[in-house]
Amino acid sequence: TQLLEQSPQFLSIQEGENLTVYCNSSSVFSSLQWYRQEPGEGPVLLVTVVTGGEVKKLKRLTFQFGDARKDSSLHITAAQPGDTGLYLCAGAPPAGKSTFGDGTTLTVKP
Amino acid sequence: DAGVIQSPRHEVTEMGQEVTLRCKPISGHNSLFWYRQTMMRGLELLIYFNNNVPIDDSGMPEDRFSAKMPNASFSTLKIQPSEPRDSAVYFCASSQQGFDTGELFFGEGSRLTVL
Repeated sequence: TQLLEQSPQFLSIQEGENLTVYCNSSSVFSSLQWYRQEPGEGPVLLVTVVTGGEVKKLKRLTFQFGDARKDSSLHITAAQPGDTGLYLCAGAPPAGKSTFGDGTTLTVKP
Repeated sequence: DAGVIQSPRHEVTEMGQEVTLRCKPISGHNSLFWYRQTMMRGLELLIYFNNNVPIDDSGMPEDRFSAKMPNASFSTLKIQPSEPRDSAVYFCASSQQGFDTGELFFGEGSRLTVL
C-alpha cells in the first residue's frame, strides 16, 4: 500500500496570507488528485495532475506535481475564509488501489 | 445533475442493532466505492465495485460488514451487529473510470453513532 504523507497536519492563518501544503510519497503515481472537504460534507475533487512537473491553476489555487510523480504541492494565494476546510491528496498508482493522505486542516481567520 | 445520494444522513443506534446505509451513484458511473472516515484513521476504503461486481473488499473490517450492489443505481452497506467502534462517517463515491484516474465523486456521507 502506497503511503501518502501530508504536511502540515494543521494550519491556521489570517485572511490574505499565502500558504503551501504538501503531499509526499516514496511511490510513483499515475495521477494525483486534490480534494477539499468542508465540515459535514463529502470531499470535493479540485484537480487531477498526471504529468511530472505539471502545474495547474484554479483561481487562487496552484497545484504542482513533482517531476518524479511522487509528490505534489498546493499553494493558495491570498487565502480567504471560504478556503477553510480539510485538504486531501489521493494518489492513483500504475496498478492497484488509489490511496488518500490524512489531510491538512486549514483554518483561515477573517 | 444529481450527485451521489446517500441515506440516512445521520443514524444513532444501540450496540447490537443492524445498520443499513444506502447509496445511489451518479448515473453513468460504473464504479462505486464505500469509505469510512474517522479522526484517528482518516479515509479508509472498505469496498470497491466495478459494473456492480465487488472487485476488492479487503478493507471490510470484519464479517459484520457486508455490501451489495444489486444494480447500477443502488448499493447498500450493512453492519450486523453494530458496535460502538463502528461509529464514523461512511461515504459512498462513484467514478466513471474506477481507480485508473482516481477521480471520485463523493456523497455527503452517513454519520453513524453506535451507543
